[in-house]
Amino acid sequence: GAGVSQSPRYKVAKRGQDVALRCDPISGHVSLFWYQQALGQGPEFLTYFQNEAQLDKSGLPSDRFFAERPEGSVSTLKIQRTQQEDSAVYLCASSLTIWDFWAGELFFGEGSRLTVL
Amino acid sequence: AQKVTQAQTEISVVEKEDVTLDCVYETRDTTYYLFWYKQPPSGELVFLIRRNSFDEQNEISGRYSWNFQKSTSSFNFTITASQVVDSAVYFCALTPLSMNRDDKIIFGKGTRLHILP
Repeated sequence: GAGVSQSPRYKVAKRGQDVALRCDPISGHVSLFWYQQALGQGPEFLTYFQNEAQLDKSGLPSDRFFAERPEGSVSTLKIQRTQQEDSAVYLCASSLTIWDFWAGELFFGEGSRLTVL
Repeated sequence: AQKVTQAQTEISVVEKEDVTLDCVYETRDTTYYLFWYKQPPSGELVFLIRRNSFDEQNEISGRYSWNFQKSTSSFNFTITASQVVDSAVYFCALTPLSMNRDDKIIFGKGTRLHILP
């Protein structure tokens, strides 16, 4: 597709359930980022991939959060044993290279809104 | 500390009025990028502008203009002759470029702009 695609757009989970959120970046984009956006807040960095390598996962809030990008294209963000504080919009973004990221050429998806009951 | 402050949580103006969104930032780095993003109701973040810390020239793009003042650590955004389609949440953001190049964008909490017809 032409843009960054995320699925599902909306997910409701019961506390304790595991969830998986998918991101399809723009074809050929090397850099991929995950951000978490709580209600009324700005996005906060979770993790960064360059191809299949996860170069920075310093923003992941706990070991219940796990991200992968095994073939350097599609990425999955997995949250185990979800808690209510995990409720947020999870945004994925991609750029052609990290240099394009610094140039502002970062393209965001529409996000996956997770609600944990 | 690296921080972006958008003191205005929500602003409402009548269509055709001018409106300025304030942004104040903190960084220990001498080299950095500043950004503005727009987040319409659909959720994706749309890149509007990037500014290098060495370039203090103000910029105008159609009805949008940006005022970067390093002396006051501010990067304000003005919409002239606002339109209903400008209604969105606007985020100011910062990427510090230290010796260890960073891959994170630090976002402010956003300003929700309502343009009333």
